[in-house]
Amino acid sequence: GNSVTQMEGPVTLSEEAFLTINCTYTATGYPSLFWYVQYPGEGLQLLLKATKADDKGSNKGFEATYRKETTSFHLEKGSVQVSDSAVYFCALMPNFGNEKLTFGTGTRLTIIP
Amino acid sequence: GAVVSQHPSWVICKSGTSVKIECRSLDFQATTMFWYRQFPKQSLMLMATSNEGSKATYEQGVEKDKFLINHASLTLSTLTVTSAHPEDSSFYICSARDPGTENYFGPGTRLTVT
Repeated sequence: GNSVTQMEGPVTLSEEAFLTINCTYTATGYPSLFWYVQYPGEGLQLLLKATKADDKGSNKGFEATYRKETTSFHLEKGSVQVSDSAVYFCALMPNFGNEKLTFGTGTRLTIIP
Repeated sequence: GAVVSQHPSWVICKSGTSVKIECRSLDFQATTMFWYRQFPKQSLMLMATSNEGSKATYEQGVEKDKFLINHASLTLSTLTVTSAHPEDSSFYICSARDPGTENYFGPGTRLTVT
C-alpha cells in the first residue's frame, strides 16, 4: 500500500536558520505529492505540491522537489521566521484509483526569535 | 482560496450521548468530502469518504454504525458520533474536494467525551 514517512519532530530552530524536513514515500506508479501546514488552532492548508517527477513546488519561500529516483519530497526553506512555527504534513495522492490522501505523521516546527 | 467550515469547533458531551458535526463548503460544490480523525501528536487517519447522494465508504476498522455520515447536499456533510465514549475523544477534521480535485480542509472539531 501507499505510505509516507516524515522525519520525527519536534524541530526547533532559530530565526533565519535553514530548514529541511525530510519526506519519503512508497507508492505504486507516479503519485502527486503535497506539503500541508497546520498553524495552531487551524485546519490544514495546502503549502505546495508537485504532480510529476522533477517538478518543484514552491510557496511562501518553501520549496520541495519531486525526486522519483529517491522517492523523496523534502521540504526546504532558506531562512525561517517565527511565523513559520506550525505542524507540517507530507502527503501523497495516487493519480488513479481512489485518489485518497495518505499523510505522514507530521513534523512540529518551532522557530525561536 | 476555497473555504470549508466545521461546526461546532469544539464540543463536550457525556458518555452515551450522540454528537453531530457539520462540514460545509462555503463557496464551491463538493461532490466528495472526507472525514479524518487526528490523535495528539499523530497524523490524520482517514475515517470515510462521503459522496453526495450515496452511502459513505468507510476505511477498514471504522465502525459505520458508530460514525454515521450523511452527505445531504453538494455543500454539506455531517458526521454523527453515536453513543459516544471517552475513547472517541479526538480532533475530527473534514475536507472537501472541489471539481478541480483540490482538497480544502476544515478547521477541525475538538470532541471531548466525559
